[in-house]
Amino acid sequence: AQKITQTQPGMFVQEKEAVTLDCTYDTSDPSYGLFWYKQPSSGEMIFLIYQGSYDQQNATEGRYSLNFQKARKSANLVISASQLGDSAMYFCAMREDLTGTASKLTFGTGTRLQVTL
Amino acid sequence: DVKVTQSSRYLVKRTGEKVFLECVQDMDHENMFWYRQDPGLGLRLIYFSYDVKMKEKGDIPEGYSVSREKKERFSLILESASTNQTSMYLCASSDPGRGTDTQYFGPGTRLTVL
Repeated sequence: AQKITQTQPGMFVQEKEAVTLDCTYDTSDPSYGLFWYKQPSSGEMIFLIYQGSYDQQNATEGRYSLNFQKARKSANLVISASQLGDSAMYFCAMREDLTGTASKLTFGTGTRLQVTL
Repeated sequence: DVKVTQSSRYLVKRTGEKVFLECVQDMDHENMFWYRQDPGLGLRLIYFSYDVKMKEKGDIPEGYSVSREKKERFSLILESASTNQTSMYLCASSDPGRGTDTQYFGPGTRLTVL
């Protein structure tokens, strides 16, 4: 069974600073994908970044980067130059590749990030 | 851009009522999903569908059913609503043929059962 662990219930960061949100995962599958989503107070889940288990390089999307350490089974999200609009819940998720049906996502419990002036 | 819409942002129902939550996506995605989100528990998969009229149970299907008569529409049905089904419900869709199979979410429906 897959498991995603986010150990930081809440984080604070000052505006313009970088912040790292932790995510560890557990799977015995060789093929998997890792995702990060942002959920503002409005409730919508917004896709941020993706890392495949066979990708050689860490994923980057603008101010977001994913620090993927396969041997340690960690996939930490790094947000550079934090902005007030980054205040939200952040969820790490892992895709389980099933045969014959849709792949499934398993989510962590989330980290609430608060960006301060 | 992917667009996933849900029929209501907020819904209040009474115990025992039959409740329909509708989800529509406009990107011709094969897969659709229903999740519920509760504080401290993250998102939990209720049901998913990988084709029209095909459905599979997720991790917490009890008390729910689904319907997918058309590719773009996936409905979640609470046959007899109970107070423990008060939650945030999120619909998502994805296309496994597009590499990462990223799931894109709707805005969510906050359901309160009194």
